[in-house]
Amino acid sequence: SSELTQDPAVSVALGQTVTITCQGDSLNIYYASWYQQKPGQAPLLVIYGQNNRPSGLPDRFSGSSSGNTASLTITGAQAEDEADYYCNSRDSSGNHVVFGGGTKLTVL
Amino acid sequence: EVQLAESGGGLVQPGGSLRLSCAASGFTFSSYWMSWVRQAPGKGLEWVANIQEDGGEKYYVDSVKGRFTISRDNAKKSLYLQMNSLRAEDTAVYYCARRREYAYGVLFDYWGQGTLVTVSS
Repeated sequence: SSELTQDPAVSVALGQTVTITCQGDSLNIYYASWYQQKPGQAPLLVIYGQNNRPSGLPDRFSGSSSGNTASLTITGAQAEDEADYYCNSRDSSGNHVVFGGGTKLTVL
Repeated sequence: EVQLAESGGGLVQPGGSLRLSCAASGFTFSSYWMSWVRQAPGKGLEWVANIQEDGGEKYYVDSVKGRFTISRDNAKKSLYLQMNSLRAEDTAVYYCARRREYAYGVLFDYWGQGTLVTVSS
C-alpha cells in the first residue's frame, strides 16, 4: 500500500503532551516528514527523519518512528499549535510522494 | 531568504488548459528537485509532480499522468505546471515546493503561498 493513515482529529489540554501518528507500509522503509498548516497558510515543515527539526522550530516538537508508524509529539502544547498536521513519505516505489490525510489538532 | 511565488491560477472550464508558474529566489534553484503539491478546498495535501534538478526525471501522481506536465527553466529560476484536460476534481490551491532528499526520506522545506485553480463551467 502507498497510503499513509492519520487520525482525523486529536485534542489536547493547554500545556499537556499530545502525540499524532501516521501509519503506512512505506514507513517500514522510509522516514516520515511532518508539516503544520494553519488556516489560509502554506504548510510548514516541523519534523523530518528520525527526529530532526528545522532551525527556529520550538523544541517542544519531536518525532519518532517504529515499524510502520511515525509519530509527532508536542510536549507542552500551546494555543498557537492548533493547526492541521500532515505526514508524508516516499511511496513504496521510492519515486512518488504520499501524504497522510491530516490530523486536526485542537488545543483546549 | 528562500522565496517561492506561484502565479497563473484562475477559473477555467472543464476540458480547458492552464499553465502555472513558480518564481524561485534566495537559493541555487538548479541544485534542487522541485515539486507541485495541491490542496482541494477543505481537503488534505496531495503531491502532484516532481522534477529533477536538470529536468531529466519527472514523476506524477496517477490522477494527472498524461494531462499535466511539469517543467523548469533553471536560467529563469522558474518551475512550471502545464495542466490540460482539466476536470472539476483538479480544483485546488497549487503549491510550489522545494524538495530535498535525506537518508531514507524526502521533505519539502520551502513552500510558496499557493495559487488557486478553479475548474467550473
